[in-house]
Amino acid sequence: GDSVTQMEGPVTLSEEAFLTINCTYTATGYPSLFWYVQYPGEGLQLLLKATKADDKGSNKGFEATYRKETTSFHLEKGSVQVSDSAVYFCALYYGGSQGNLIFGKGTKLSVKP
Amino acid sequence: EAGVAQSPRYKIIEKRQSVAFWCNPISGHATLYWYQQILGQGPKLLIQFQNNGVVDDSQLPKDRFSAERLKGVDSTLKIQPAKLEDSAVYLCASSLVPHTDTQYFGPGTRLTVL
Repeated sequence: GDSVTQMEGPVTLSEEAFLTINCTYTATGYPSLFWYVQYPGEGLQLLLKATKADDKGSNKGFEATYRKETTSFHLEKGSVQVSDSAVYFCALYYGGSQGNLIFGKGTKLSVKP
Repeated sequence: EAGVAQSPRYKIIEKRQSVAFWCNPISGHATLYWYQQILGQGPKLLIQFQNNGVVDDSQLPKDRFSAERLKGVDSTLKIQPAKLEDSAVYLCASSLVPHTDTQYFGPGTRLTVL
C-alpha cells in the first residue's frame, strides 16, 4: 500500500544551521505531498505542500520539491531558529472518494541557541 | 475564526474502563475526521464523517471504538473497554468539503491507559 518514510529523529541542530529532513514515499499514482508541523502542545499545522512533480512548496523559509524520479519530498531550511523546534510530518494524499492523508512517523527537531 | 476544539486535553484511565472524547469542528465545516496518533508514529485515520453520515470507518476497531456525529456538527469518539495499546493522542480535524487535503487539526486529547 501507499506509505511515507521519514528519516529517524531526533535531529539536534544549532541555531542558524542548515536543515534537511528526508522523506520518501511509495504510491501507485501521483499523490499530493505535504509537510505538517506539530509544535509542543499544539495540533498539526500544514507547513507546505506540492501537488505535482517538480512543484516546490515553500513557507516560513522552509522548502520542499516534489521529485517523482526519486519519489522524494525532502524538507529544507537554510537557517533554523530555536522557534523551529517541533515534530515534522511528511504526508501524502490522493483525491477521490477514498482520499485520505497518510503520514510518516514524524521527525523531532530540536534547535539549540 | 475559532479553530477545532477538543476536550478533554488529557485523560488517564485504567484498562477495561470506558472513555469518551469530544470534538467541535470549525463552523461550517461539513467533514470531520478522527485520527489516532500513537507515540512515535504519524496520525492514522480512524473515521471520517460527512455531515452526520460515515464516509470511511475502515480503520476503526469497531469491537471497542465507536463514534457519532448526530447533528452534523460536534462529534464524540468512545472507547469501551480500553486496552493498554489504546494509549495515544486522538486528533480531530475538519474540512469545508469532503475528499480534500485541506484539513484543520485540533490540539488533540492525550489518552493514557494504565
